[in-house]
Amino acid sequence: QKEVEQNSGPLSVPEGAIASLNCTYSDRVSQSFFWYRQYSGKSPELIMSIYSNGDKEDGRFTAQLNKASQYVSLLIRDSQPSDSATYLCAVDRGNTPLVFGKGTRLSVIA
Amino acid sequence: NAGVTQTPKFQVLKTGQSMTLQCAQDMNHNSMYWYRQDPGMGLRLIYYSASEGTTDKGEVPNGYNVSRLNKREFSLRLESAAPSQTSVYFCASTRREGFSTDTQYFGPGTRLTVL
Repeated sequence: QKEVEQNSGPLSVPEGAIASLNCTYSDRVSQSFFWYRQYSGKSPELIMSIYSNGDKEDGRFTAQLNKASQYVSLLIRDSQPSDSATYLCAVDRGNTPLVFGKGTRLSVIA
Repeated sequence: NAGVTQTPKFQVLKTGQSMTLQCAQDMNHNSMYWYRQDPGMGLRLIYYSASEGTTDKGEVPNGYNVSRLNKREFSLRLESAAPSQTSVYFCASTRREGFSTDTQYFGPGTRLTVL
């Protein structure tokens, strides 16, 4: 089993819809979780971090963490064409480098 | 405040040539990383430096060497480039204290082609 798994997509959603991106991880000692956005030809940039079970909201973005089920998700409300990008899930197991998933490509159709 | 800078932005090499990719950060971060990104493969860690004076292998270290020159700078060297090293290379840095990690920032990337 890969350490951090994401559906590669593409995930296509219409403009204004909710985009739901999922990530599962295998190591139960994982402590911190991050969502990075990467536009084509650009470098990844952090958009959300979450450390505790439950939801964390920041504008149109909501990160959800369930440590018991070992998954973390990212919801994007009112999706815009400018949200079209690859979203990378990253997991921090503590005192070692972040482990990244391969990313999910999101396409928001106008 | 430039964040993480990388040079060069683009490079074309012939098989067997050597080159060094430079990375510098001005955020006083202690940890620095080199990744490569290939289509469908995600980010793969080549080497990292948890703190000044230390370096460790990542997932794909073969064919590469690194130097943590000082706290700001972390270079990646290809001694004898191979076509399989054609990729986009990202440098990243963050502040880590024990089990606590701050935001990891990425440089703009170096697009390397080996012919």
